[in-house]
Amino acid sequence: GAVVSQHPSRVICKSGTSVKIECRSLDFQATTMFWYRQFPKQSLMLMATSNEGSKATYEQGVEKDKFLINHASLTLSTLTVTSAHPEDSSFYICSARERGRMNTGELFFGEGSRLTVL
Amino acid sequence: AQRVTQPEKLLSVFKGAPVELKCNYSYSGSPELFWYVQYSRQRLQLLLRHISRESIKGFTADLNKGETSFHLKKPFAQEEDSAMYYCALHNAGNMLTFGGGTRLMVKP
Repeated sequence: GAVVSQHPSRVICKSGTSVKIECRSLDFQATTMFWYRQFPKQSLMLMATSNEGSKATYEQGVEKDKFLINHASLTLSTLTVTSAHPEDSSFYICSARERGRMNTGELFFGEGSRLTVL
Repeated sequence: AQRVTQPEKLLSVFKGAPVELKCNYSYSGSPELFWYVQYSRQRLQLLLRHISRESIKGFTADLNKGETSFHLKKPFAQEEDSAMYYCALHNAGNMLTFGGGTRLMVKP
């Protein structure tokens, strides 16, 4: 089956630094990738939709200058949390929609990245 | 605007008991509904979709357009079914909206 890999799975950083999280589709091409935040015992909150070769579409309330998303290739999307603060500490999850299956609700999820900002 | 509601945050049953995880939706068009599952320390994964009308791991879900529901059912719960379950709606605009999730705990 289709596999999505996130790296790093866990990162701890100091306040004010920037952190980059990668999301890769390992055995398929993903024209669309999604980034979510998940707070403890809560549902997924969609942050942004990233399409290969174009600018990401951010959900209301998500600062695009804070959460930089780049989707430069069909297998890689990155989320950079700039000038991270403790309130940015969270579990970040990406998902991907397979190229050729553009109009489907079937998504493949990464294992998530836990960010802790000290 | 579309909305997916899972009224129960936590559902606790004993092993062997029937289980039903509720999901209601609001959407003006023709929806495509899914159930995703997240086992402990694992990634979110697709469990089943309504168009397939399949049974996965003993779970079934029927789309009831009259009641705008897509409840997930299993006649005999197993301990390994303990997980977070998310109902999701895919719309014509190619957006996937998740419900708040229900944590299922199956006690021995």
